[in-house]
Amino acid sequence: DAGVIQSPRHEVTEMGQEVTLRCKPISGHDYLFWYRQTMMRGLELLIYFNNNVPIDDSGMPEDRFSAKMPNASFSTLKIQPSEPRDSAVYFCASTLGGVTGKETQYFGPGTRLLVL
Amino acid sequence: DQQVKQNSPSLSVQEGRISILNCDYTNSMFDYFLWYKKYPAEGPTFLISISSIKDKNEDGRFTVFLNKSAKHLSLHIVPSQPGDSAVYFCAALDNTDKLIFGTGTRLQVFP
Repeated sequence: DAGVIQSPRHEVTEMGQEVTLRCKPISGHDYLFWYRQTMMRGLELLIYFNNNVPIDDSGMPEDRFSAKMPNASFSTLKIQPSEPRDSAVYFCASTLGGVTGKETQYFGPGTRLLVL
Repeated sequence: DQQVKQNSPSLSVQEGRISILNCDYTNSMFDYFLWYKKYPAEGPTFLISISSIKDKNEDGRFTVFLNKSAKHLSLHIVPSQPGDSAVYFCAALDNTDKLIFGTGTRLQVFP
């Protein structure tokens, strides 16, 4: 398996522009997570989906952030409009969920976003 | 407020010696803890975990210790190898099965 695929790997944009990050989870996985990594706060969970349905978006910082999962093999995280403080590395992860919820999450390589 | 804290942003250890990475948490309801390792330009990968019913879990050179009364866990790597140089994240599973990560500790193992 190719693992979790994210695109683009790097994104540089200007403040106010729309940014769309993409993720393809591991085939067969039913949970998908979006995380943001910053120096100050480490890895923060933004939102997660189960069977394509958003379950918890309490980590989404503002209404400027939105995420969708139109099917089991694709998800997007959109920031509109983007701001310099959104600069971070954004990770997508997937797992095959179970009763205990203790299954390993598999992370993609991340998208490094820089908003000027 | 950080519920999972890694107070040492970096650690430097000589090859062959023991590396000890520390993690503190504030929520006594956390009952499952994990360590993830992250190399540059890659996503984090799972390393080892421990349930709160245990105080130690060992996997090869890696051992995680849990002290529930102190709300503290540590990851021991012995012997340390240059390939262990990475950022290590401590994480706890909350009661909604979400992972709460710390800010990470960058380990450098030098020859």
